[in-house]
Amino acid sequence: DTGVSQNPRHKITKRGQNVTFRCDPISEHNRLYWYRQTLGQGPEFLTYFQNEAQLEKSRLLSDRFSAERPKGSFSTLEIQRTEQGDSAMYLCASSSRDRVYDGYTFGSGTRLTVV
Amino acid sequence: AQTVTQSQPEMSVQEAETVTLSCTYDTSENNYYLFWYKQPPSRQMILVIRQEAYKQQNATENRFSVNFQKAAKSFSLKISDSQLGDTAMYFCAFMMYSGGGADGLTFGKGTHLIIQP
Repeated sequence: DTGVSQNPRHKITKRGQNVTFRCDPISEHNRLYWYRQTLGQGPEFLTYFQNEAQLEKSRLLSDRFSAERPKGSFSTLEIQRTEQGDSAMYLCASSSRDRVYDGYTFGSGTRLTVV
Repeated sequence: AQTVTQSQPEMSVQEAETVTLSCTYDTSENNYYLFWYKQPPSRQMILVIRQEAYKQQNATENRFSVNFQKAAKSFSLKISDSQLGDTAMYFCAFMMYSGGGADGLTFGKGTHLIIQP
């Protein structure tokens, strides 16, 4: 297993465009989490999935943000009509539901720059 | 809501020295978990050490140990014999036991640790 994989590593987009990021978790992990990390801050929890079910989405930053995990494997995070304030590192993490208290395995993140 | 505070934005020590990073948290929960994560420059966040709140014994992982003071809501990380590879951002994080971890990890703002040769 190669760990949690995120693509792309970097994304530069113009304001107003839509962007989509992909996360491939560790294969045996049934939980998948999305976090946002802005400069000088710790990661901020956005949403999480257990298998294909999105069990928490109230912390998505606005209705421009959405996430999917259609087959319980990889997940996508989409930001519509991007704004400059969306510039940040978007982190994905995964864990096993049975071992969630052991902590998460994080990916390397996707750095978004909105110009 | 839980909050995690790391009061040291940056610390710098000489190689081989011992350094302690501080973390305090605020919660009304009795059962929870605490973590220290390391984020090297441009690399992924990795778990350093973890502590269950119901355990009085402080966790230890090789050169890394914690001082967990539940009544004071304090959770500091001690790095012994520091090495150049320890240079990174260090984040303290909290997870409630109730809800099966549904609230995720709550992170502090981080401490940038620099190990000088």
